[in-house]
Amino acid sequence: EAGVAQSPRYKIIEKRQSVAFWCNPISGHATLYWYQQILGQGPKLLIQFQNNGVVDDSQLPKDRFSAERLKGVDSTLKIQPAKLEDSAVYLCASSPSGGYNSPLHFGNGTRLTVT
Amino acid sequence: AQTVTQSQPEMSVQEAETVTLSCTYDTSESNYYLFWYKQPPSRQMILVIRQEAYKQQNATENRFSVNFQKAAKSFSLKISDSQLGDTAMYFCAFMGGNNDMRFGAGTRLTVKP
Repeated sequence: EAGVAQSPRYKIIEKRQSVAFWCNPISGHATLYWYQQILGQGPKLLIQFQNNGVVDDSQLPKDRFSAERLKGVDSTLKIQPAKLEDSAVYLCASSPSGGYNSPLHFGNGTRLTVT
Repeated sequence: AQTVTQSQPEMSVQEAETVTLSCTYDTSESNYYLFWYKQPPSRQMILVIRQEAYKQQNATENRFSVNFQKAAKSFSLKISDSQLGDTAMYFCAFMGGNNDMRFGAGTRLTVKP
């Protein structure tokens, strides 16, 4: 089966600019996650979707971050405006149902550098 | 809120030897899943092994096994016969009833020839 696809692989922007990341989960996976991984740290959950509904966005900085999952398939994560501290790898993951017995399948991530 | 702690930022092991990575967690839930993920420089997070909290038997996947101590909230990973390809970041993760996965800070493992 095809894995989780993310693009772009790398992105460099200046602070206060906007950026968007795209994720295509594994076909049939109902649950989609966005994680932020700052260098030297573990991934931090930003938002979790179940189909096209938000399950958990408690750690999403909503003043600058937004995410959507139209039609319950692809998802985009946007940052507007970016800050220096947003430099990180943004990982997308999906799972079949989001239940206990559903380990996450991860994409290769997008490395964002904000200068 | 659940927290996951990995107290070993870096570890190294000689090829063919055995190494154990530590992980502790904090939760008030009685049923949950625990995972170990491997992240090589390619950034791809790869599932190594998982454990259901209600199962007493420790999970095993080839050279990888866990020591799950539910009362102590401890979940360590043992890698036997270490190989150069095992060099990576290793993350311990917790998934509870709300299905969000929380990660520890990671342990950087280096396997030396």
